[in-house]
Amino acid sequence: NAGVTQTPKFRILKIGQSMTLQCTQDMNHNYMYWYRQDPGMGLKLIYYSVGAGITDKGEVPNGYNVSRSTTEDFPLRLELAAPSQTSVYFCASRGLAGDNEQFFGPGTRLTVL
Amino acid sequence: QKEVEQNSGPLSVPEGAIASLNCTYSDRGSQSFFWYRQYSGKSPELIMSIYSNGDKEDGRFTAQLNKASQYVSLLIRDSQPSDSATYLCAVEQAAGNKLTFGGGTRVLVKP
Repeated sequence: NAGVTQTPKFRILKIGQSMTLQCTQDMNHNYMYWYRQDPGMGLKLIYYSVGAGITDKGEVPNGYNVSRSTTEDFPLRLELAAPSQTSVYFCASRGLAGDNEQFFGPGTRLTVL
Repeated sequence: QKEVEQNSGPLSVPEGAIASLNCTYSDRGSQSFFWYRQYSGKSPELIMSIYSNGDKEDGRFTAQLNKASQYVSLLIRDSQPSDSATYLCAVEQAAGNKLTFGGGTRVLVKP
């Protein structure tokens, strides 16, 4: 049981480039989330999904897109990367049962130059 | 805008002492509250959840909740150097399904 996995671990982009951050969970969780964490700050919610085919905006969605075609995968797309998107990105998932704990992936450290 | 506020620290405590962390929140309808620990360069991991007013103890950790005052706290007893980390308070929004995180409190435990 790998939990939540994210790829890549690190990435450097040039301004205007695009990329997709991958997130996969093997816990059959309905809920999945994308956060960004700037240095010394807390987590800001970018997008979330309550199940396959259903996504919704979080607090800071501008410049990002998501899709959820399967229960397991929740990729985050950056179009036209900007320096303001330099951050650490965490994916998380949560099941329907239990104490509402969100399980986090290891993160992707993205730098836009 | 739903807010969760924490003192950023650093909170410096000697080994063996009690570390006391505080968190206030604005969403009066929130029912679920969480404390996550985050080591530098790592992802957050859940250490405590609390849903009812009062205290909840788990090992050296005690979470305290006061919904009337919109206040949640975390006590770390017998602090160890391995407790040095950033502690994030998270509050589930009243609408459900989403967490709002505070900015975190950095704790330094000195031997």
